[in-house]
Amino acid sequence: GQNIDQPTEMTATEGAIVQINCTYQTSGFNGLFWYQQHAGEAPTFLSYNVLDGLEEKGRFSSFLSRSKGYSYLLLKELQMKDSASYLCAVKDSNYQLIWGAGTKLIIKP
Amino acid sequence: TAGITQAPTSQILAAGRSMTLRCTQDMRHNAMYWYRQDLGLGLRLIHYSNTAGTTGKGEVPDGYSVSRANTDDFPLTLASAVPSQTSVYFCASSDSNSGHGIDTQYFGPGTRLTVL
Repeated sequence: GQNIDQPTEMTATEGAIVQINCTYQTSGFNGLFWYQQHAGEAPTFLSYNVLDGLEEKGRFSSFLSRSKGYSYLLLKELQMKDSASYLCAVKDSNYQLIWGAGTKLIIKP
Repeated sequence: TAGITQAPTSQILAAGRSMTLRCTQDMRHNAMYWYRQDLGLGLRLIHYSNTAGTTGKGEVPDGYSVSRANTDDFPLTLASAVPSQTSVYFCASSDSNSGHGIDTQYFGPGTRLTVL
């Protein structure tokens, strides 16, 4: 079967750095997405990786290793507004997105 | 632009009743999707449509039906609701023909459905 694994919950301090990991086992690979979802709201797109390496976008970076079936989302200079769930999703061989259950990130002052 | 709108925002429905969740997008995206989101689970695809006039089954299609008469609208119908269909339902759309390869999905605000 297809599987996306992420930690259920993480806690970090305002101003610090946090890394959210995602491992996947899917039938085929056509890209990996990270979305942010605030409580009670819709998911919003953060980043996309299809080749190995690091993609940087402001305070957020995303890394991919296809050989290891592994990605991480790195958030720097954490702000209280970063408290949200972060969803990892992989596009499989049928070009359908397979979603992880999400990581709830709690930011403390 | 409005992006994607969904209606209603929330609904309480008696088991056995039917209901249609509405979804409209104004981005002229060719592809549209319906997901359900339950606590502790990832988003699960119910049905999708790659273009107007075509639909396909996702991971959890049973008990749901969809239609795609035009580009903008993609309603989801529950013919006879059951309590296990209590969930948050998200509609999404993407431009899979953009040629840019990313095919990012954009989500509506969701409909919170409770079946009693």
